[in-house]
Amino acid sequence: GEDVEQSLFLSVREGDSSVINCTYTDSSSTYLYWYKQEPGAGLQLLTYIFSNMDMKQDQRLTVLLNKKDKHLSLRIADTQTGDSAIYFCAESRQGGKLIFGQGTELSVKP
Amino acid sequence: NAGVTQTPKFQVLKTGQSMTLQCAQDMNHEYMSWYRQDPGMGLRLIHYSVGAGITDQGEVPNGYNVSRSTTEDFPLRLLSAAPSQTSVYFCASSNRGQGVAGYTFGSGTRLTVV
Repeated sequence: GEDVEQSLFLSVREGDSSVINCTYTDSSSTYLYWYKQEPGAGLQLLTYIFSNMDMKQDQRLTVLLNKKDKHLSLRIADTQTGDSAIYFCAESRQGGKLIFGQGTELSVKP
Repeated sequence: NAGVTQTPKFQVLKTGQSMTLQCAQDMNHEYMSWYRQDPGMGLRLIHYSVGAGITDQGEVPNGYNVSRSTTEDFPLRLLSAAPSQTSVYFCASSNRGQGVAGYTFGSGTRLTVV
């Protein structure tokens, strides 16, 4: 999606924290999402944040939202090899549309 | 409850051939949409629909047609396939007002145009 930007690659060591960043442009987005895609598979919703929240924590996942800078991040604590995948951020638009970033490929090294 | 069903899962077409990718949902969702996924470009919106009889263009609509004659079905038509349409196609549905986890994706159709 041309309006949502992510870096393409991230490499971390097992046990470290991973931080995946995303910038978006539509300040009227109601929800922002993080999806995970494993090789050859479809999209799995990981977590979401409502636009009036600054932070959301869900087990090993922490989502931070900075509305002023239109910046969203996903932190994965204690990253495991099973977390290796492509992570997409997405913003909701009217009409049930989702606009996706390019995806960040997370590589976890043992 | 099957969710969103896409058929076929795999397809190989020759340049210039036509085909229809099928998408059906059984959740009575109002909104349906089609995306294509290409390496390094994420998922890009092709067409979307807010209800039966209503469709609109997304980011990359050229070369694709859609129709929404029923709430359940949202087929995507390629009238004259081109190699640039080689991609993985995902269909999704959601219900108005259900932004929280309200998007359901199909398992995808992998299309190769030779």
